[in-house]
Amino acid sequence: DQQVKQNSPSLSVQEGRISILNCDYTNSMFDYFLWYKKYPAEGPTFLISISSIKDKNEDGRFTVFLNKSAKHLSLHIVPSQPGDSAVYFCAARGGSGTYKYIFGTGTRLKVLA
Amino acid sequence: NAGVTQTPKFRILKIGQSMTLQCTQDMNHNYMYWYRQDPGMGLKLIYYSVGAGITDKGEVPNGYNVSRSTTEDFPLRLELAAPSQTSVYFCATSPRQGANTGELFFGEGSRLTVL
Repeated sequence: DQQVKQNSPSLSVQEGRISILNCDYTNSMFDYFLWYKKYPAEGPTFLISISSIKDKNEDGRFTVFLNKSAKHLSLHIVPSQPGDSAVYFCAARGGSGTYKYIFGTGTRLKVLA
Repeated sequence: NAGVTQTPKFRILKIGQSMTLQCTQDMNHNYMYWYRQDPGMGLKLIYYSVGAGITDKGEVPNGYNVSRSTTEDFPLRLELAAPSQTSVYFCATSPRQGANTGELFFGEGSRLTVL
């Protein structure tokens, strides 16, 4: 039972353009959604998060949108840079007193110079 | 400030051997987690802990054990290593739930190969 899904294993985008990474979830009790970036041989690093009570959060070039009715969130990176090339994981935190973070399978982003 | 420290970084085990992956944190975070990442896959939660003396199973706990005797340390034990446990293991921490961003802080990972 995959509660958090990233259906696109990879994405290629030209430098300077927008990158849009998508994530779907099934559990309406999740209270926080997060995006992590991972380079090879390193641990994931936190990018941005959004509370379930909001629909948008912005931090510099990164914006996360949450559509609760569709159980869908997306990460927008504008403008995309070659250094953004990495694997991006979507994650969701269990609400209602649970403390589990469930991750998607990741999307490999390649930004072409 | 070390953050989350995992040891060892690399290890090769024979089938049936046992070992402990160490995780220690200096951020005074209550919550600690162990994840594994298989090639081309996401991170799967093995065990987690909400504080000293309290642990609970995640998505894939079979073949593993944990303990949490102190706030700082959360070791992961493999009792009878199997090839299916070949993976990269990540330890992560989080401050008390309700912190602003919900962020998890990860260690650099421990790559384990079982032959």
